This record gives sequence, structure tokens and C-alpha cells, in this order.
Amino acid sequence: DAKTTQPTSMDCAEGRAANLPCNHSTISGNEYVYWYRQIHSQGPQYIIHGLKNNETNEMASLIITEDRKSSTLILPHATLRDTAVYYCIVTGRAGGTSYGKLTFGQGTILTVHP
Amino acid sequence: EAGVAQSPRYKIIEKRQSVAFWCNPISGHATLYWYQQILGQGPKLLIQFQNNGVVDDSQLPKDRFSAERLKGVDSTLKIQPAKLEDSAVYLCASSPLGLTRYEQYFGPGTRLTVT
Repeated sequence: DAKTTQPTSMDCAEGRAANLPCNHSTISGNEYVYWYRQIHSQGPQYIIHGLKNNETNEMASLIITEDRKSSTLILPHATLRDTAVYYCIVTGRAGGTSYGKLTFGQGTILTVHP
Repeated sequence: EAGVAQSPRYKIIEKRQSVAFWCNPISGHATLYWYQQILGQGPKLLIQFQNNGVVDDSQLPKDRFSAERLKGVDSTLKIQPAKLEDSAVYLCASSPLGLTRYEQYFGPGTRLTVT
């Protein structure tokens, strides 16, 4: 699976957009980019995923560059409850030996300030 | 829809003792995972089941850890004997079966302290 690189920590003001970057320069053609977050003392929570196109759901937007070597998770209006560790994960290809396997790195600690 | 249930939420044991954790996945989810999360690190996969068969246990310390998933539903993870370095949060997750459905749904975890 491709390795991801994320900043260790980021800050954001409440009500502002939080833009979390992720580099995955060795991503392969059929590998997906997944984002999870983990609020303190809870299990990780799925946010969004994408392959090539930009994606949006009720939680966030995912922007993937055309060369697929990096992506950005956008929380459009961050709240205090969005303070968490955010993980960017590149998954194995369907049918491959690492199918369905999530390999978590250190993630980005996002702190949302009042 | 009920989430992934785990018990107990907290456990304190002495080294060399045994401990077991229980997980009940979301109804209908074919795939079940156990992760270990050491303080300050991301979760690490220990074992993955598909129905009641093991798909991946390459990172499970088999000399002391064991897991089973009876009838393809509930699962238990056991440590025997425990070491100090086993202190961690043990997370259970489940996922529906599907080629593009990689979303995993996590339980609240069991925090284990080995003294």
C-alpha cells in the first residue's frame, strides 16, 4: 500500500474551513484515499473516501489532485467538536492481498479554537 | 442502527494474568477486525475475519494472543499471559462485504492496563 504523509498538527478557528493536506505520491491506479478521524477516547470514525474525482458528503469534502499524488480534506465550517486526530489512508486494491486493510499512520491532530 | 459493541470498557490486570475482550459487530457485517492502539499511535491491525474465517493475522503475536469468531458474528480476543507492553486500547471494527465498501465501523474500545 502507498504510504501517506500528513502534518503532525494543525489549528483552526471555529467557523472557519479546516483544510487538512495529505501526500501519497506512490499511490497506484486502483487505490482509494480514505479519511478517518478519532475523537479523544472514541474509536475512529469514517469520514469520506475517493478514487479520482472530488467527493462531498454531509461531513466533509475531499479534493484529490489530478495526478492523485496528494489530497485535501476540507471541513467547511469547523466546530469545537471537530477537534480530533485525522488519518489519511490509502487502501489496497480490491482483489489484492491487502484488500480492505486500513494501515493507520500518526495522523494530524486538528485543534479547533473558539 | 446499533453500532459495534465492546466489553468491558476498561480492564486492569497484573502481568502474566489472562484477559478476554468481547465484540459484537453491526448486524449483517461479514468482516470483523481487531486493532491494538498504543497511546500516541494509530491503530494497528491484529486480525481480520471474514465471516468466521481468518483473512489476515500476520501482526497477531500468536504466542500470547488468540481470537475467534463463533458462527461468524461475535468475536473474542484473548491475551494469555499479558505483558506490560500489552497496555493499550483494543478496538473492534466491522465492515459490510463489498468490493468498494472499505468503510469500517469502530466500537468504543477496551482500555487495558497491565501492571
